[in-house]
Amino acid sequence: QLQLQESGPGLVKPSETLSLTCTVSGGSISTTNLYWGWIRQSPGKGLDWIGSISYRGTTYYNPSLKSRVTISVDTSKNQFSLKLSSVTAADTAVYYCARPPDYGGNSWDYWGQGSLVTVSS
Amino acid sequence: EIVMTQSPATLSVSPGERATLSCRASQSVGRNLAWYQQKPGQPPRLLMYGASTRATGIPARFSGSGSGTEFTLTISSLQSEDFALYYCQQYNSWPLIFGGGTKVEIK
Repeated sequence: QLQLQESGPGLVKPSETLSLTCTVSGGSISTTNLYWGWIRQSPGKGLDWIGSISYRGTTYYNPSLKSRVTISVDTSKNQFSLKLSSVTAADTAVYYCARPPDYGGNSWDYWGQGSLVTVSS
Repeated sequence: EIVMTQSPATLSVSPGERATLSCRASQSVGRNLAWYQQKPGQPPRLLMYGASTRATGIPARFSGSGSGTEFTLTISSLQSEDFALYYCQQYNSWPLIFGGGTKVEIK
């Protein structure tokens, strides 16, 4: 059974860089035609797609975050990572990593449990 | 950028009744529309993809319809475990966009 697990600091200071890693178990990240993604949810709010990456490193980003976001993949570790720079309180959210269904498309069938990141001094 | 609008924001329904949730796209997304259910403290759960195909393990009381810009999620007979938040998401083009959500609450 495929599982995803987010890891990283739960507290980040304003203006610093948020860094999270998603570790994939029970399956390989090197799956063709699939884009692994990061999605966030601010407290009491809806879902926002941050960006997606293929195992080859092709990326797509939310235009509203593009100038601050970097998503990378490490196939040797079966992980992909998120970096969000110059964070503010508005970046406080639960950050999820996710994967589409086996049949493709860019909906999200597998989710991590989420990692709460608070931006505060 | 496509805008996804869900209505109503809150839907009050009695157990056993039918619930109908709407999702509208600002431009055509074909049938590249997914629905999710989310309960407090949990990640979203994929209910429907391709507008009308149930994801693995989703009960038959959930059905989806629509194409282009207008989509509907119907829960034929609400069970206690169905009271939750529901989101639609278009995946026809980048950027991927979620709707604002509909809360289904007990009447």
